[in-house]
Amino acid sequence: GQQVMQIPQYQHVQEGEDFTTYCNSSTTLSNIQWYKQRPGGHPVFLIQLVKSGEVKKQKRLTFQFGEAKKNSSLHITATQTTDVGTYFCAMKTSYDKVIFGPGTSLSVIP
Amino acid sequence: GAGVSQSPSNKVTEKGKDVELRCDPISGHTALYWYRQSLGQGLEFLIYFQGNSAPDKSGLPSDRFSAERTGGSVSTLTIQRTQQEDSAVYLCASSFDSLYSPLHFGNGTRLTVT
Repeated sequence: GQQVMQIPQYQHVQEGEDFTTYCNSSTTLSNIQWYKQRPGGHPVFLIQLVKSGEVKKQKRLTFQFGEAKKNSSLHITATQTTDVGTYFCAMKTSYDKVIFGPGTSLSVIP
Repeated sequence: GAGVSQSPSNKVTEKGKDVELRCDPISGHTALYWYRQSLGQGLEFLIYFQGNSAPDKSGLPSDRFSAERTGGSVSTLTIQRTQQEDSAVYLCASSFDSLYSPLHFGNGTRLTVT
């Protein structure tokens, strides 16, 4: 079946440092979504990427979809304590079910 | 408008008892998903509905787990003869369609099996 990897599993950064998480799929994707889950909360949709090589920005967050549509990245510039949480990539598989990557847990040290 | 509603928010049950978890999706959302999340872990896919039908039930961990959706709206996830390893947060999500729409999650049901 389809395999999804996310690295790193955990990341601890000093406030103000940058952060990047990478998502890799074993198969070519039609689209990829990113979600953020705050501690004690539920996942919340951040963004969707559809086109090969697509780059989207949301304030300090930059999302990229690989040229081969098999990988994606989320980069946060100058992290803040409000960025704490787990970031998941999500993708559709057969029968249109949506599976999630294992997530990257971000801690920000003030 | 109202978001995805899940009930109960917390459920403590004894090993061997049956439990029923409910999910009320956003009105008009045709796709509905169930996931399980153990403490500090990722989201484990359980089952997905498009309308009332479930094209993929492959994520259900065992035959003790079943789910149904009626009227293209409310869904229930039933766990029979609960085991301690069933303890987790069960998350429900809905989306407008199954193609490119984002998933909207409920707050989850925290199940504890003693």
